[in-house]
Amino acid sequence: GAVVSQHPSRVICKSGTSVKIECRSLDFQATTMFWYRQFPKKSLMLMATSNEGSKATYEQGVEKDKFLINHASLTLSTLTVTSAHPEDSSFYICSASGFSVGDEQYFGPGTRLTVT
Amino acid sequence: KQEVTQIPAALSVPEGENLVLNCSFTDSAIYNLQWFRQDPGKGLTSLLLIQSSQREQTSGRLNASLDKSSGRSTLYIAASQPGDSATYLCAVYPNNNDMRFGAGTRLTVKP
Repeated sequence: GAVVSQHPSRVICKSGTSVKIECRSLDFQATTMFWYRQFPKKSLMLMATSNEGSKATYEQGVEKDKFLINHASLTLSTLTVTSAHPEDSSFYICSASGFSVGDEQYFGPGTRLTVT
Repeated sequence: KQEVTQIPAALSVPEGENLVLNCSFTDSAIYNLQWFRQDPGKGLTSLLLIQSSQREQTSGRLNASLDKSSGRSTLYIAASQPGDSATYLCAVYPNNNDMRFGAGTRLTVKP
């Protein structure tokens, strides 16, 4: 099956710093990538959708200047949390879909961000 | 706007019991429906994907059904095992490029 990786799996950063999370499709071209956020004991909330080479589309309530998404190639999307605060601490999961793998989204293993 | 609800929020059963998890959605015009498993602190594991034209999918001890007209899906787990303990998430595809998740059902299977 299609494989999506995320890096890092865990990251701890200080308030005010920025942190970048990478999402890669390893064996297919991801024309669309999605970024989700999950709060403890809650379900996944879609943050934004990005198509390769285009600006990301953000869900209502998600600050695009705080959560910068870049989808520069068909195998890589990055999420940068800028000027991180403790309330940004969360589990971030990406998924990817592409024409070669049908319409199903394939999920990465997630990144645990802790802001101290 | 599509809303996905999962009932119950938590379920505890003794080992060996058969169980059913429920998922309901407000808009019956869905593209696909998918069930996932999530272990604590981990990512998602896809269990079953049901396309809109299908009524059920089976994999091992798992069976998922879909009734679009009533806006419901069920995940049936036969002969539950302690290793089945996890959170089960239901997600619907309103179209082929979007997903909406339910809040999940936390399952505990006691030895």
